[in-house]
Order: sequence, then structure tokens, then C-alpha cells
Amino acid sequence: DAMVIQNPRYQVTQFGKPVTLSCSQTLNHNVMYWYQQKSSQAPKLLFHYYDKDFNNEADTPDNFQSRRPNTSFCFLDIRSPGLGDAAMYLCATSGGRVHNEQFFGPGTRLTVL
Amino acid sequence: AQKITQTQPGMFVQEKEAVTLDCTYDTSDPSYGLFWYKQPSSGEMIFLIYQGSYDQQNATEGRYSLNFQKARKSANLVISASQLGDSAMYFCAMRETNTGNQFYFGTGTSLTVIP
Repeated sequence: DAMVIQNPRYQVTQFGKPVTLSCSQTLNHNVMYWYQQKSSQAPKLLFHYYDKDFNNEADTPDNFQSRRPNTSFCFLDIRSPGLGDAAMYLCATSGGRVHNEQFFGPGTRLTVL
Repeated sequence: AQKITQTQPGMFVQEKEAVTLDCTYDTSDPSYGLFWYKQPSSGEMIFLIYQGSYDQQNATEGRYSLNFQKARKSANLVISASQLGDSAMYFCAMRETNTGNQFYFGTGTSLTVIP
């Protein structure tokens, strides 16, 4: 089945130790998104790509970086995780039209020790 | 101003009853889409239903329907015949043509279905 896959599902890292989360899609969608979601809150958009065009949200900390080497894959790098970065990270994809919904992956739950 | 407002942090409904989850939106773009997502405790966001700004009829998908009142800028989700598995967070979201690929999410409503 076509889908959005995130690995790993659970990630534990130490304070300050870089971590990379990955996302892949088989939907061939132009747009890929990374969201951070904390408990009982709405997802917060960190950045998104339209093809190779990168769009960073103004309030996304510099600690968060992203790479999209090809249509199928997108990575979220957290350079120096702090305790406040512990959250669920959701990857989503979408077509480029206003009527296209987002398809979400299962998420990666990040714990920072 | 908030693009999407969900004023009900939590709702309870008896099993088999219908429930309405409120959503209002703010946009000056004539072309936009409205979406509802369900997020169970497992964390995955599940797309439920879509309403386009130019759609003449309210969207329906199985037990889900969208009560779209364009003049009031509201897009309420109606769940009929609630089931225990409907207990989850529900998010309303909007996508505008002018802002392209960004989705604006509301703060969500936590629905609990009581047996």
C-alpha cells in the first residue's frame, strides 16, 4: 500500500547528542512536511518542501535542520537536542493543490535524557 | 488572528448518539479547503473529510458529515452513531490557495465516547 513511513518509531537520545529522524513516501507527492507535536497540542509546522524548494517557518529554531535528497525521502536533523525538544515528530505529504489532503506517517516519539 | 478556531477542548457523547465538533475559520482567500483529522491515542493523524470553498453541498463520508456554513465561516464536523473507537483528538485544518502548501490547524477537540 502507498504510505508514509517514519523511522524509527521511538528514539531516545541524550541531551546535546545529534539525532536524525527519517521519513519516506511511496505516494510521489510534491510536498513533504515536518511537524512537532507536544502532548494535547496541535501539530506545529517546522518546515516543508515543495519538491526541492525548502520553506522554513520563522519560529523554527536553528537547532532543527532538514534534508530532502529526492522525492521519496526527507530527514529531520536535530543538532543539539534539549529537554524541550522531546515530542512526537510527524512527517506528512501532500499533493500541491488546495483540495489535496495531507497523509501522515505514524510519527517518531523522541525522548531526550 | 487565528486562522482556525476550535472552541471545545473536550466533548463527551453517549455511544450511538450524534455529536458536533465546532470549527470556525478566518480567511480572505476565496479559494480554500477545509479538512478534519482524527488522532487516536496511538498518535497517527487520520484524514476524515474535506470541504472545498466552492462546493455547493456539504461533504459526507460514511458517519462523518461536514456542516459547512460559508457566510458564518464555520465547518463543523458531525459524527453520527458514535462508537467507542471514535474517542480521539479531532483537528480542523485549512489550506488556502494564496498561501499554497501550508495547512493551518486548530487546537483540537478531545472526544470521549461513553458506553
